[in-house]
Amino acid sequence: DTGVSQDPRHKITKRGQNVTFRCDPISEHNRLYWYRQTLGQGPEFLTYFQNEAQLEKSRLLSDRFSAERPKGSFSTLEIQRTEQGDSAMYLCASSLTGSGYGYTFGSGTRLTVV
Amino acid sequence: TQLLEQSPQFLSIQEGENLTVYCNSSSVFSSLQWYRQEPGEGPVLLVTVVTGGEVKKLKRLTFQFGDARKDSSLHITAAQPGDTGLYLCAGAKDNFNKFYFGSGTKLNVKP
Repeated sequence: DTGVSQDPRHKITKRGQNVTFRCDPISEHNRLYWYRQTLGQGPEFLTYFQNEAQLEKSRLLSDRFSAERPKGSFSTLEIQRTEQGDSAMYLCASSLTGSGYGYTFGSGTRLTVV
Repeated sequence: TQLLEQSPQFLSIQEGENLTVYCNSSSVFSSLQWYRQEPGEGPVLLVTVVTGGEVKKLKRLTFQFGDARKDSSLHITAAQPGDTGLYLCAGAKDNFNKFYFGSGTKLNVKP
């Protein structure tokens, strides 16, 4: 297992287009998180899954954002009708429940909306 | 408003110097973690502290969790250029369900 994988690494899209990102967590990790990070800021929580159940969503996650984790394995984050304010690094992380060992982050997907 | 405030925001020092960065909050955390992030990459976990007053050492890095579990510090001894990066603290208010991140301290160590 090589860690958490995110695809694509970079995405440039025109305003109003839909985009989808994929995250493959560490296989034995049952928790999967999505965070967003803008320049000069720390990551902001968006949502997390335990297995296939989405347990919490941030108020940052407007109705244009949707995340899924079918079968409790990989996850997708879709942004519909992208806006320039959506430009950010989208980070995925995985962990074991209550492990206290912290997150293992992927390298992120850098989204630029033009 | 950030739940965790980190200071300083930026730090530029010469190789061999010592430094301390701080992570403060008015909230109590069940655990606190420190990460290091390099440009274009995700954060990498350095340490987790869970007990008030706990001190952990990782080679030249010393981490301390405040007695009241509201603050933490990271001390680096004899900094090296390889220590350059963004240092992030993150706190969990419940049982590791979700971590809140500070905005980070950007460290530059000049050779």
